[in-house]
Amino acid sequence: DSGVTQTPKHLITATGQRVTLRCSPRSGDLSVYWYQQSLDQGLQFLIQYYNGEERAKGNILERFSAQQFPDLHSELNLSSLELGDSALYFCASSAGGPNTGELFFGEGSRLTVL
Amino acid sequence: AQSVTQLDSQVPVFEEAPVELRCNYSSSVSVYLFWYVQYPNQGLQLLLKYLSGSTLVESINGFEAEFNKSQTSFHLRKPSVHISDTAEYFCAVRGGGATNKLIFGTGTLLAVQP
Repeated sequence: DSGVTQTPKHLITATGQRVTLRCSPRSGDLSVYWYQQSLDQGLQFLIQYYNGEERAKGNILERFSAQQFPDLHSELNLSSLELGDSALYFCASSAGGPNTGELFFGEGSRLTVL
Repeated sequence: AQSVTQLDSQVPVFEEAPVELRCNYSSSVSVYLFWYVQYPNQGLQLLLKYLSGSTLVESINGFEAEFNKSQTSFHLRKPSVHISDTAEYFCAVRGGGATNKLIFGTGTLLAVQP
């Protein structure tokens, strides 16, 4: 158990809909990262937050947005869903210091868009 | 920009045989390298990491990796594999700058056969 909690574990929805994925980081971790894992794209970094502020941005679509709340949990919002958005979405956390290195991953939220 | 290349998408091997999973990196800054393992229907777990110091790093379950600066490689090895080692293995490099985000390779499926 990594200590990172993601909900829901599975989500099935239709094209054009909007979903929200939630992540609770390990106790004390200030940084949250979102990744998308798909068969054709592999593991893609989407976005990082550190103590409520956006720290780094990757290949995140404009239809997607995220935020980190004062209690440090994070949400990833996916809107106007397309079939190609079907993927496993991972959240990870780290302490956030310059030399911590390791990210701790949750078990993921599997999104299926029909 | 940082990147990693995993040369083999799949490595079949018989139980108790040795294995090497290859990873080459590209980085313009100090290199922090990681191997993560993903078992079926699970999240990513850290296997081992190189941050500094000894170039040979070991995990608790018999894997080891050697940081080779001249060859820009961080290959993962195990002298004798078990059926339970069957999983997807990801090499990763830490992104530069103020972020601790990890950039992952495309993964190598280690398929251990009896």
